[in-house]
Amino acid sequence: EVQLVESGGGLVQPGGSLRLSCAASGFTFSSYWMSWVRQAPGKGLEWVANIKQDGSEKYYVDSVKGRFTISRDNAKNSLYLQMNSLRAEDTAVYYCARDIRITGTMDAFDIWGQGTMVTVSS
Amino acid sequence: SSELTQDPAVSVALGQTVRITCQGDSLRSYYASWYQQKPGQAPVLVIYGKNNRPSGIPDRFSGSSSGNTASLTITGAQAEDEADYYCNSRDSSGNHPFGTGTKVTVL
Repeated sequence: EVQLVESGGGLVQPGGSLRLSCAASGFTFSSYWMSWVRQAPGKGLEWVANIKQDGSEKYYVDSVKGRFTISRDNAKNSLYLQMNSLRAEDTAVYYCARDIRITGTMDAFDIWGQGTMVTVSS
Repeated sequence: SSELTQDPAVSVALGQTVRITCQGDSLRSYYASWYQQKPGQAPVLVIYGKNNRPSGIPDRFSGSSSGNTASLTITGAQAEDEADYYCNSRDSSGNHPFGTGTKVTVL
């Protein structure tokens, strides 16, 4: 079964750090771009970051640049999001998602994890 | 990064047809994908590319695009289609912003 399972969420104080993990199974993890997407309580989806198959390319939404780092370990079939200098507005459910790139102009997030909650509060 | 704009809410009578639109400059260059999200659940991909449905998605869901606007159409809406729907597209900076979301109510 193709599956993504996130972990590492929790309560953290403003300015603190947290590392999220996403364990992939049921597919060849190293063949896919991967993304993190978040959703603040009662709000819409926000794409956060993505990473190329070999880790050579990474992109971030402006609001997390310089604070968050996406990485992957293909040997462990795992995706990570290191979050530093956390703010209240980073409070959200964080999802990892598989990014299928069909062509140069066509891609989509076809597999999603169940999400992990991150709460930034004092 | 580019912005994708959706109508906040639409309603449709059971069995009728509803179209949800997504507008943004990036759609002139990149295809949109569409996601259905029900309360407390992770999003589910329903349409991607020109008009492609993943396995298991009913054929009442279809997609189209023209200029800077992408559309998701539900033909013969069912009660289980009541959900939030989001579009997404890559932009020229390599980012993948989501649309603002549309809440679909089936009456």
